[in-house]
Amino acid sequence: EVQVLESGGGLVQPGGSLRLSCAASGFSFSNYAMTWVRQAPGKGLEWVAAISVTGDNTYYAGSVRGRFTISRDNSKNTLYLQMNSLRVEDTAVFYCAKDGPGTSNPQGYFDSWGRGTLVTVSS
Amino acid sequence: DIVMTQSPDSLAVSLGERATINCKSSQSVSSTSNNLNFLTWYQQKPGQPPKLLIYWASTRESGVPDRFSGSGSGTDFTLTISSLQAEDVAVYYCQQYYDLPYTFGQGTNLEIK
Repeated sequence: EVQVLESGGGLVQPGGSLRLSCAASGFSFSNYAMTWVRQAPGKGLEWVAAISVTGDNTYYAGSVRGRFTISRDNSKNTLYLQMNSLRVEDTAVFYCAKDGPGTSNPQGYFDSWGRGTLVTVSS
Repeated sequence: DIVMTQSPDSLAVSLGERATINCKSSQSVSSTSNNLNFLTWYQQKPGQPPKLLIYWASTRESGVPDRFSGSGSGTDFTLTISSLQAEDVAVYYCQQYYDLPYTFGQGTNLEIK
């Protein structure tokens, strides 16, 4: 069974940093692009970042570019999101999602999602 | 960025009746070279992560009941639930993956009338 499990969320002050992790199991992690999507409380979905199967290619939403870094460790079946210079408006549940099959770069649709980890940015 | 606009924002349908949700993109999300429509639909129930229903605008994900169907091309797309069941109460999102950044519609809240 495909599973992705996020961790690392919590309360952080504005300007602070946090690193999220996503542990994958039940599929060949190194063969799939991966993505992060976030959802502010009571709001809709916002794509945050994506990464190719090797990690060589990364892609970001404009709202996080320069502050967030997506990476992966295929030997550990784990996806990461390093978040720096956090802002109050970054408060959200962050979901890790597996990309659709067939390409080394992100396909762009997400067929398996974790339950998410809550990041709260507040003083 | 491509803006995705769903209509309506909220919808109440009787059990067993048809539910239709529309999604419009600010520019075409269809490829003329390979006739692919870069549009997907997700279902999100309260307290749960989104679940993939439809991709390539009309391909049903494995395990999704056949009462769910997707159609459309270019800038106009539709998700149809042919006979609404109680378990279909959820928020539904469309998303384009034609161009980065990937963008979602604002969501449609589907309820039972």
